Amino acid sequence: EAGVTQSPTHLIKTRGQQATLRCSPISGHTSVYWYQQALGLGLQFLLWYDEGEERNRGNFPPRFSGRQFPNYSSELNVNALELEDSALYLCASSLGQYSGNTIYFGEGSWLTVV
Amino acid sequence: ELKVEQNPLFLSMQEGKNYTIYCNYSTTSDRLYWYRQDPGKSLESLFVLLSNGAVKQEGRLMASLDTKARLSTLHITAAVHDLSATYFCAVDGNFGNEKLTFGTGTRLTIIP
Repeated sequence: EAGVTQSPTHLIKTRGQQATLRCSPISGHTSVYWYQQALGLGLQFLLWYDEGEERNRGNFPPRFSGRQFPNYSSELNVNALELEDSALYLCASSLGQYSGNTIYFGEGSWLTVV
Repeated sequence: ELKVEQNPLFLSMQEGKNYTIYCNYSTTSDRLYWYRQDPGKSLESLFVLLSNGAVKQEGRLMASLDTKARLSTLHITAAVHDLSATYFCAVDGNFGNEKLTFGTGTRLTIIP
């Protein structure tokens, strides 16, 4: 069974550009989460989607946005890129909310802003 | 705001020794997760602890949860080199919130 898959693996953008990261959850999982792992800042919660709706959002500016598609895959968009957006972006999925199920992480997308 | 603290941040230990990583959190929670991360890699799920007194073991790793003390421990028995990694605990502070707050991580190095 395929795990959580993310693309691209690596992405280099210049300041001010937009980045789009994609995530496919494990088959049957309806919840998708996005986390940012920046050097020195640890893992920070970005967004949670379930059944196509944004359910919760971390303390990030509005230029971080995303969506979940009917097939439960998800996209994270970062507009007006800043140097400090350089980080590993991790997508995760689980069977759904309120379940206490294991949350499985993908391999991540490395975003470098120059 | 939920805060999750891990200690130690760095740990070097000899093969064959035992040690414990501690995870303290600041508000009531009934779900705690332990993950392992190898350099440049993603997070691998180790344990999900869902109730007070929960204990789970896998190989040389054992995790426990004390919700009254807001404390989880990850105990390593007779460490071997391939346990070298960074270990994170994560807490879901509000039922239904589905937002994991991660600890700072413990970077474990096993020395032959």
